[in-house]
Amino acid sequence: DAGVIQSPRHEVTEMGQEVTLRCKPISGHNSLFWYRQTMMRGLELLIYFNNNVPIDDSGMPEDRFSAKMPNASFSTLKIQPSEPRDSAVYFCASSFSPDIPNEQFFGPGTRLTVL
Amino acid sequence: EDKVVQSPLSLVVHEGDTVTLNCSYEVTNFRSLLWYKQEKKAPTFLFMLTSSGIEKKSGRLSSILDKKELFSILNITATQTGDSAVYLCAVGYRLNTGFQKLVFGTGTRLLVSP
Repeated sequence: DAGVIQSPRHEVTEMGQEVTLRCKPISGHNSLFWYRQTMMRGLELLIYFNNNVPIDDSGMPEDRFSAKMPNASFSTLKIQPSEPRDSAVYFCASSFSPDIPNEQFFGPGTRLTVL
Repeated sequence: EDKVVQSPLSLVVHEGDTVTLNCSYEVTNFRSLLWYKQEKKAPTFLFMLTSSGIEKKSGRLSSILDKKELFSILNITATQTGDSAVYLCAVGYRLNTGFQKLVFGTGTRLLVSP
């Protein structure tokens, strides 16, 4: 199994530009999580999908952030417009069940730099 | 507000030393506490603890949970340079949707010098 796949691995953009991060969960997993990691705030859950439906988006910072999961094998996290404070590593994780946290497998992350 | 606090923030030790990393928490509807190791990439799972006083052990690493005092420790004995990493503590709590949400601490950065 290839594990959780994220793209791009690195993204450098200028303030005001739209950024789209992509994630392919492990095949058969029906729960998908988007996390953001910064030095100041650590690892924070942004949004969680179960069976392609957003269940908890209370961690999404503001309206500039949006996430979609059009099918079981693909999800996107979009930031529009991007700001320097969005610079962080964004992780996608997937699991069979939303209630078994030790079975969340993390992708390699996307390091986003907004200039 | 739910929170997870780890200490120390960073630690430098010599190879062969024993280290203890701390994690305290305040969450409602606690379900589990997890430890992860992160080395310049994605976090990798180490332990999940749900019951007080029962030690989980894997090689030179061990961990225990105290649900009365709301903390956990991660011990690493006979440290090696390969143990250098950020160690993350996360606490899971149940939401009314049935989802167990994880709240992470900011981590302890461990550096093991040869």
